Amino acid sequence: GAVVSQHPSWVICKSGTSVKIECRSLDFQATTMFWYRQFPKQSLMLMATSNEGSKATYEQGVEKDKFLINHASLTLSTLTVTSAHPEDSSFYICSARDLEGVDYEQYFGPGTRLTVT
Amino acid sequence: QKEVEQNSGPLSVPEGAIASLNCTYSDRGSQSFFWYRQYSGKSPELIMFIYSNGDKEDGRFTAQLNKASQYVSLLIRDSQPSDSATYLCAVNGRSGYALNFGKGTSLLVTP
Repeated sequence: GAVVSQHPSWVICKSGTSVKIECRSLDFQATTMFWYRQFPKQSLMLMATSNEGSKATYEQGVEKDKFLINHASLTLSTLTVTSAHPEDSSFYICSARDLEGVDYEQYFGPGTRLTVT
Repeated sequence: QKEVEQNSGPLSVPEGAIASLNCTYSDRGSQSFFWYRQYSGKSPELIMFIYSNGDKEDGRFTAQLNKASQYVSLLIRDSQPSDSATYLCAVNGRSGYALNFGKGTSLLVTP
C-alpha cells in the first residue's frame, strides 16, 4: 500500500527556535497533502491543506506566518513551526492524497511529536 | 465548523462480543465517511470507508451509513484485545478532500 513518511518522528526544541517537519509520499505522487495537529486526548484538527506548486490553505485560527508550509514537489511537503512556544507542543500528522487514487484515499504519516521547552 | 460527534467512552466489551461505535455529523453535504483506528502515540490507520447508505462489510468490521439521520456506525464482531484503541469517525470536510474528525471513542476489549 501507499506509504507516507515523516521526519523527524520526534523533536525537542527550545522556545523561540524554528522546527521543520517533512512529509513524503514514498511510492506515489500527491498533489494534495494535509497537516493535522493533535493535542493529548483530543482529536485531529486540520491545520492546512497543501497543494503542490501553490500556496497552502489554512484553517481558521491557524497562523500562516507561524506555520509555514511548502509543497515544492509531488512527493514532499514541509511544515515549519517558527518561533515555537510551549503551547505548540503537539503531535503533528500529515496525510497525502494519491494523485491517481480514488477521491477518498488518503494516507497518513506516522506523525511527529514536537516538544517545546 | 461542521461537527462530527462521538461518544468518548470508554466502551468496554468482553472478548468475542460485538462492539458498536456510533458517530453523527452535522454537514448534510458530506459525501464520504471513514473509520480510523488510532493506538496511543500512533497516527490513525484506515479501517473502512463508506459513501452509500446501507451496510458495508469487511471481515470483522461493518460500517453502516444513514444519510437521512446523519449517522454512521462501526460494528466490530468477535472483538479481540488487540482491537482496544481509539476509533475516530471522519467525514470529508469544507476543504474538499480534507477530513473532519470526531474526538474518537475509546474501546477496551477485556479478555
